[in-house]
Formats: sequence, structure tokens, C-alpha cells
Amino acid sequence: DTAVSQTPKYLVTQMGNDKSIKCEQNLGHDTMYWYKQDSKKFLKIMFSYNNKELIINETVPNRFSPKSPDKAHLNLHINSLELGDSAVYFCASSQEEQEGPAGTNTGELFFGEGSRLTVL
Amino acid sequence: DQQVKQNSPSLSVQEGRISILNCDYTNSMFDYFLWYKKYPAEGPTFLISISSIKDKNEDGRFTVFLNKSAKHLSLHIVPSQPGDSAVYFCAASGYGSNFGNEKLTFGTGTRLTIIP
Repeated sequence: DTAVSQTPKYLVTQMGNDKSIKCEQNLGHDTMYWYKQDSKKFLKIMFSYNNKELIINETVPNRFSPKSPDKAHLNLHINSLELGDSAVYFCASSQEEQEGPAGTNTGELFFGEGSRLTVL
Repeated sequence: DQQVKQNSPSLSVQEGRISILNCDYTNSMFDYFLWYKKYPAEGPTFLISISSIKDKNEDGRFTVFLNKSAKHLSLHIVPSQPGDSAVYFCAASGYGSNFGNEKLTFGTGTRLTIIP
């Protein structure tokens, strides 16, 4: 079973459309993330979300919105797609440590396979 | 099935010594490998990469070694410094030289702690 799965893996769409990328994790983790990979293979965090808090990277346009129907899912909705939105988007999950200082994270991050979005 | 594996979730090294982080992969089509460094509450940042036509790439204190026959790569940091404490991710991609358009496959990371 894939630990973190994203759908679709490839998405080609026209400028101005609204689209969603879905992410599901079966690891029982309580924190999920969306990252954007640019053409130079740099990863930029877009959102992190757990039961308690949604953290938004301020540089992310408000056309991007995460939606979490439950702990195992974090979907990415994109409105009014632009050419510059073309990229690979990665979902990831991690488990916050139960012991130790609040917010401590083991650091292990499980990535999905990525979703390549192409805006024409 | 994990195609890129980092079997050590954590590693502690004395300041000034060498840190060696390991990564194994299973897909023989991978031909480009990268290491990322991640601090808490930040996204991974690119550190160093290597193409499969090489077996070593060096950048300052960081050296990546690739053993294609063993499908193994390692990141050496020498000398290790306190600021190197972070989580390190190995990643791989394949199918040609247009790397900018290839998706990455990530390992799960190794937390490196440098002890002063």
C-alpha cells in the first residue's frame, strides 16, 4: 500500500480553470503538507496542516487553498490557474512526537509521488 | 514500496568529526540524485546533487558519493558543525537530462544532530 498517495499524477489544463489535487495518507500521521517543486528542483512549502492549525506560507497566492475533510486527507484547490502555476506539487505527511516539547517532530517526512500540473 | 530508502532515522556526530548519511535506491532508471536539508518549520532546501555519470561530487564541506552497482549514495559532511543539525533527505529522478521537468522520489529523511 502506498503510504502517501496523490491524484492525479498528471494534470493538463487551460489557464483560468479551477482544479484540485487530492492527497491521502494511511500512516495515521497528524500533520500533512503541500510543497511546490520549481524547475530547478527547489522545494517550497505551501501549507502545513494538522488537527490544530493551518499554517500558510504568505507567499502563496490566495488562489491556492487547502481543504482537509479529515486527518488522512489534505486536498489542494487552485482557482483561476495561471501559467506560472505549472510545476510539480508534492504532498507529504509526518507524525508529531507525543513526548517531549510541544511541537517536536521526529523529522521523518513521507512524500507522495508528486503531481505534475501543466497550465496551457 | 519505497524506491529511495534512508534506513537511519537519526544520527548523532561530534562537532568537527565527519557525518556520513546513507541512501539506497531500487530503481535502476534513476540517473540523478540530490540531497536536501530541512530545518524545523521550513521546506527542504537543495544541498548538493550528482549525476549517474559521476561517482563523486564535492562542494565545500559536502561531498556526495555514488555507487551505481550497489545502488547506494552517501553524503559526507566534514568537518561537522552545529548548524548542520537538520533533517537530510535523499531524492532521485530519472529518464534523461532534462532534469528540470522530472519528478523527484524522496527518502524519508535522516535527522542529523551535531553535538558540540
